[in-house]
Amino acid sequence: DVQMTQSPSTLSASVGDRVTITCRASQNIVGWLAWYQQKPGKAPKVLIYKASTLETGVPSRFSGSGSGTEFTLTISSLQPDDFATYYCQQYYSFRTFGQGTKVEI
Amino acid sequence: QVQLHESGPGLVKPSETLSLFCAVSGDFIYDKYWSWIRQPPGKRLEWIGHIYSSGTTAYNPSLKSRVTISVDTSKNQFSLKVTSLTAADTAVYYCAREADEYFDYWGQGTLVTVSS
Repeated sequence: DVQMTQSPSTLSASVGDRVTITCRASQNIVGWLAWYQQKPGKAPKVLIYKASTLETGVPSRFSGSGSGTEFTLTISSLQPDDFATYYCQQYYSFRTFGQGTKVEI
Repeated sequence: QVQLHESGPGLVKPSETLSLFCAVSGDFIYDKYWSWIRQPPGKRLEWIGHIYSSGTTAYNPSLKSRVTISVDTSKNQFSLKVTSLTAADTAVYYCAREADEYFDYWGQGTLVTVSS
């Protein structure tokens, strides 16, 4: 099965910072990757799919890139509403999630 | 607006079977995949499996022997059964709609605790 590893696990940042989260797959998943944002007690919300396509309604400060085994989620200018946990998810073979990256103040 | 709503018991005993239901509104269940996903406290999300409206299923290999997902098109809902429960099955269980294999709509989640 495809394993997903995110780094870092926790990220301390300030409003206005540029933030980058990395997700690595244990095998080539081409571009079949999505990114989600989850806040405490809430369901995840999709931000990006097919590695770099922004979901409708998601602010343009979020962007995704990568292919094969290495992918990144970038927030160009961190806003107060962005403090949350972010997960990557592959859908090349079944579906598996990364362990999450908590973005905190 | 698409909405999903999970229902089922919040507490089940070890070795028993869990049954959860997901009611879909704002969309027809036809011609789409519908998934169950769970999240143990403080841990990563885990995909359990999915079902197509025709009844075709696929399951996480690690759970396949204990899981059954069914669909009821007349009620526009789908369901999950997990047998032989242990404490490791304690989690928030989500139902979700798949759009091109990623999850675009989620239920609010329901906490299931396995304890005697």
